[in-house]
Amino acid sequence: QVQLVQSGAEVKKPGSSVKVSCKASGGTFGNYAISWVRQAPGQGLEWMGGIIPIFGTADYAQKFQGRLTITADDSTSTAYMELSSLRSEDTAVYFCARSSVALANDAFDIWGQGTVVTVSS
Amino acid sequence: ETVLTQSPGTLSLSPGERATLSCRASQSVSSSYLAWYQQKPGQAPRLVMYGASNRATGIPDRFSGSGSGTDFTLTISRLEPEDFAVYYCQQYGTSPLCSFGQGTKLEIK
Repeated sequence: QVQLVQSGAEVKKPGSSVKVSCKASGGTFGNYAISWVRQAPGQGLEWMGGIIPIFGTADYAQKFQGRLTITADDSTSTAYMELSSLRSEDTAVYFCARSSVALANDAFDIWGQGTVVTVSS
Repeated sequence: ETVLTQSPGTLSLSPGERATLSCRASQSVSSSYLAWYQQKPGQAPRLVMYGASNRATGIPDRFSGSGSGTDFTLTISRLEPEDFAVYYCQQYGTSPLCSFGQGTKLEIK
């Protein structure tokens, strides 16, 4: 049974960067796309970008182009999301989620527990 | 860019009633690439339906999905107390690679 376990909560200053990890256990990692989805307090879900680890190239939502870097390390079954130039509006819960189909972007059947990122001076 | 619009924003119903949630896309979406998620407070979303009409693992058969093109529907035939949550539709595979609707809150009347 594949599980995604994310790193712990972060508090960051405006203008700084945050890096969140998402480690997979219990199954194949590299063939399945990992996406990052965030949810601001009281708001809906927002897709940020994703990566298929064995391909190594990430796709980003236009809103985050230039500020977001998604990487993956197949050797440790871990995906990373790094968001730079943080502002208060980036305060949110950040989820990683796995595609249900190998080597394709598809529905997300497995989710991490979420990581709270708070941006405050 | 494909924008998904869900309606209604809030749906107030009683256990045992039928719920119908709508998701409309700004441009045609392949039914193979339309999903629904359920989210309860403090939890990660849970996949309910994929490919517009396929129930995810563990989802009871009172949940059904339908639609094609730009109009999709999630129906819960007889609401159970545990069904009250926020539901999101999602498209994947078209530009952008993924997007979500704004959500429908299903609340107890």
